[in-house]
Amino acid sequence: EDQVTQSPEALRLQEGESSSLNCSYTVSGLRGLFWYRQDPGKGPEFLFTLYSAGEEKEKERLKATLTKKESFLHITAPKPEDSATYLCAVQATSGGGADGLTFGKGTHLIIQP
Amino acid sequence: DAGVIQSPRHEVTEMGQEVTLRCKPISGHNSLFWYRQTMMRGLELLIYFNNNVPIDDSGMPEDRFSAKMPNASFSTLKIQPSEPRDSAVYFCASSPRTCPDEQYFGPGTRLTVT
Repeated sequence: EDQVTQSPEALRLQEGESSSLNCSYTVSGLRGLFWYRQDPGKGPEFLFTLYSAGEEKEKERLKATLTKKESFLHITAPKPEDSATYLCAVQATSGGGADGLTFGKGTHLIIQP
Repeated sequence: DAGVIQSPRHEVTEMGQEVTLRCKPISGHNSLFWYRQTMMRGLELLIYFNNNVPIDDSGMPEDRFSAKMPNASFSTLKIQPSEPRDSAVYFCASSPRTCPDEQYFGPGTRLTVT
């Protein structure tokens, strides 16, 4: 059974204080690892997909990295608008086409001005 | 681009009643997913469709849950009869053939069963 564990559950930072969120996973065969952002009362918003160990992707103040067992979401000099819940998900290998995701419970990030 | 549309946004019903949730995926997307989110269990996949065909419904909790996709622009998730433990936020998501790994989520339907 695919499993995704995110840590910490919650994180409070000062504006400008960089940090990292962790996502550890176990999956029979990794097709992709995904990061989403979720704001209160809204659906998750796609951020990144990583497919292989060593891969990195960046978007504004966010950078996602992937190893064979975990992924990190690095937040550099965050701003209050980066406050949200960040969700990690994995997709197992299959015969092709789109497949459902297995999500972690998320890290609730608060950036204080 | 209107995004994924879900209705209703909020539903309050009594135990034993039938509940139908509706989803309109993004035009041109060929895959559709239903997820459920609770504080205890997080976001869980219920069922997904490719080209209107159900592919994996192993996440559907019980026979009380059923989902249909009669055409490329509409899907329903039905719960009959509903129970208090079904209370959750239900999300619909869709993805395009050109980039099947990017799922776009709707705003969700918050269901409360009393």
